[in-house]
Amino acid sequence: EAGVAQSPRYKIIEKRQSVAFWCNPISGHATLYWYQQILGQGPKLLIQFQNNGVVDDSQLPKDRFSAERLKGVDSTLKIQPAKLEDSAVYLCASSLVFTGSGANVLTFGAGSRLTVL
Amino acid sequence: TQLLEQSPQFLSIQEGENLTVYCNSSSVFSSLQWYRQEPGEGPVLLVTVVTGGEVKKLKRLTFQFGDARKDSSLHITAAQPGDTGLYLCAGAGAGSYQLTFGKGTKLSVIP
Repeated sequence: EAGVAQSPRYKIIEKRQSVAFWCNPISGHATLYWYQQILGQGPKLLIQFQNNGVVDDSQLPKDRFSAERLKGVDSTLKIQPAKLEDSAVYLCASSLVFTGSGANVLTFGAGSRLTVL
Repeated sequence: TQLLEQSPQFLSIQEGENLTVYCNSSSVFSSLQWYRQEPGEGPVLLVTVVTGGEVKKLKRLTFQFGDARKDSSLHITAAQPGDTGLYLCAGAGAGSYQLTFGKGTKLSVIP
């Protein structure tokens, strides 16, 4: 089974520029997550989709971050304009079913490492 | 916000030694997961525990969920260089689906 695909793997931009990350989840996985992992910290949930609807975006800085999941499959995460503190690895994950039990099995992609200069 | 504190933050041991890492919180979790993350990769799920006092074994790794479901430990027997990585615990609160991750324990096993 193919894993969660993310691109690009690495991106270097200057502050105030924009960047977009793409994620293709495991086929058939209804739930898709975007996490931000700053160096030395654990992943922090930015947004969670169930099919093409948003379940939770409470920690997404909506003044600069946006995400969409068209047709309930692929997803893109955009940052505009980027700040220095956005330097992090952006992880996409998917799970088969959102049960609401908190015990979902998440499969993560390798991540997209963003450096903002 | 539910916080998960992991300790130690860093651990460097010789091959063959045993070790235990801890994940603690003041909050009760309905479930707790352990992940291992290698450099340049995403976290990979090792185990999910849901019952207070539950113990699960995965080869040389033993996971325990505290009786009160506020803490967990991971014990590795006879560590090998392949065990090197960042070990993350993640918990879901009662009635919540959102996973909260700890900062992780970075383990280095020296051959």
